[in-house]
Order: sequence, then structure tokens, then C-alpha cells
Amino acid sequence: ETGVTQTPRHLVMGMTNKKSLKCEQHLGHNAMYWYKQSAKKPLELMFVYNFKEQTENNSVPSRFSPECPNSSHLFLHLHTLQPEDSALYLCASSQSTAVEAFFGQGTRLTVV
Amino acid sequence: GENVEQHPSTLSVQEGDSAVIKCTYSDSASNYFPWYKQELGKRPQLIIDIRSNVGEKKDQRIAVTLNKTAKHFSLHITETQPEDSAVYFCAAYMNSGGYQKVTFGTGTKLQVIP
Repeated sequence: ETGVTQTPRHLVMGMTNKKSLKCEQHLGHNAMYWYKQSAKKPLELMFVYNFKEQTENNSVPSRFSPECPNSSHLFLHLHTLQPEDSALYLCASSQSTAVEAFFGQGTRLTVV
Repeated sequence: GENVEQHPSTLSVQEGDSAVIKCTYSDSASNYFPWYKQELGKRPQLIIDIRSNVGEKKDQRIAVTLNKTAKHFSLHITETQPEDSAVYFCAAYMNSGGYQKVTFGTGTKLQVIP
């Protein structure tokens, strides 16, 4: 296993629901990322945390709210999502001074 | 911001043949270029990378070349095997304010036909 664990693996939620995605890394990395992977689109970087501080927010709608309580855990809180938000959400981690990113298995999100 | 274009979007080759995937980037400040392989239903995994001070890097059947002047880099897979079938992503990283900014290509679906 890669050391980056995401839960749940699959999630179906209604547009009025509130849910959270969880990511945990056991690699001692100090940077964590959320990516969105939609069909036929490039991987989109959503958020970056370095040493628990958010350093990137690539124009992501406010219905996505990240939280990084410590350098090993990363959450993505979801509320009032739209069907077009259905995608694979990938978490990754790396050493901020290096660049190789290790990805989790992803959470397949379906908004109905 | 950085823009990464990747071609082709799909590629079919016969087993044993070579496959080449190309990416171009726009920002000359980008200095690290990894390639990720994503098999169906699995996570992307790094397969090879190259830094801007190197022109070519090889690891067994996989090689990457970088042309900084033209701002393009390519993935070369020789003697392809069915297990090479996957989606391949290129990426361009740059250091901005002490942190890494990354832009991914759109991916290439490679099919190796036995």
C-alpha cells in the first residue's frame, strides 16, 4: 500500500446533503493535496496544504471546504453539491521540498 | 498560469512496438516534469520524472526526454506489453513562493494490443 489512505472509496449524496472525505498519510510528508479527476478532463488541483497551512485554492467553489488539522490528515467537507461535481477525488501527499506526489486510491463521488 | 497540453489523447500500439506521448508547457519557470501511470480503477503512480537540468532519463523500457528551449517533454515506452495499457499523465511543476505549483496534462489512454 502506498501509505495514503482515503475514505470512503465510494460516496453517493444528494444535493442537499453534507458529507466529508477523509485522507490520511503515513509517509511523514508535510504537504497534502486534493485533486478532482473528471472524465475527459485533466487532473485539477483543488487545494494544497503545506505544514497545515493552505497555500493554494485554485478557484474552487465554496461548497468545497478543506480542513487540515495536522500534517497527516486532510478532509474535504462537501455541502450543497451539484451533479457536475460528480468525479473521482484524489488526495496526495509529498515532502514540500521534493515533488514526488503519492496518491491515495480516491473517492468516487456521485451527486444525485 | 502554466498550461500543459498532452497528445495524443488515445494511442493504440501492437505489443512489442514503441509508444510516444508528448507534452508541451508554457511557463519556462517549470522545472520538474513527472509522468504518472493510472491503471483502470487505480491511483496515479509516478513512473519516471525529469528535472530541467537534464535532457534525457531512462529506466529500463521507459525514457523521458526534455527540450527546454521548445518547452516540450516526451515519454517513450519501448517493447510495449499488455500491462502497459493505462492512462498516462504528464505534469509540470514550478516553485512559487517556496511551494510547488503543478499543472497536469489531459492524459493519454494507451492500449497495447496483444
